[in-house]
Amino acid sequence: RKEVEQDPGPFNVPEGATVAFNCTYSNSASQSFFWYRQDCRKEPKLLMSVYSSGNEDGRFTAQLNRASQYISLLIRDSKLSDSATYLCVVNTGFQKLVFGTGTRLLVSP
Amino acid sequence: EAGVVQSPRYKIIEKKQPVAFWCNPISGHNTLYWYLQNLGQGPELLIRYENEEAVDDSQLPKDRFSAERLKGVDSTLKIQPAELGDSAVYLCASSPGQGKDLSGNTIYFGEGSWLTVV
Repeated sequence: RKEVEQDPGPFNVPEGATVAFNCTYSNSASQSFFWYRQDCRKEPKLLMSVYSSGNEDGRFTAQLNRASQYISLLIRDSKLSDSATYLCVVNTGFQKLVFGTGTRLLVSP
Repeated sequence: EAGVVQSPRYKIIEKKQPVAFWCNPISGHNTLYWYLQNLGQGPELLIRYENEEAVDDSQLPKDRFSAERLKGVDSTLKIQPAELGDSAVYLCASSPGQGKDLSGNTIYFGEGSWLTVV
């Protein structure tokens, strides 16, 4: 079983739609969690950290469920510019960051 | 503030040839990472440095890959000899290091070195 698992997609949604991605992790001792965004042929960039209480940044909401060992990312009112790959990242301890394969999102007009 | 700088951006070599990648991390960042990213996959850690010490190189194929960070700043990653399967993007990243708050775990990536082995 992979340490971090994501549905690779692609998720095809129209502009304005709400879309959600889930990510599961296997190490229950994992300490911190992040979502990174990667545009085509570019480097990954931090989108947001994921806190136990859940957190929101504009149209983006991240949630953590430690009991079920998954994190989620919700994007409301999708924009064309949201088209990218979203990488789930888990700090499994001692600054070891494990990346998922990424979920590809395509927002169409 | 300058980000993580990598060179070369693109490299095409024949199999069995050597290749080297260079990385300059963000100033003041103690932790440096080399990741490998294949098409359609997430980055996979090759090696992590805390200052000049390699603290996690368990995923580095040591028969052909080597890395160094002699003065705890710049780093090089070398492949010798290269194989066809080494074609990928080699990403360097840095972070402030251990002992920081949650934001200290944020890592910042360079644009990557795109390797094609033919």
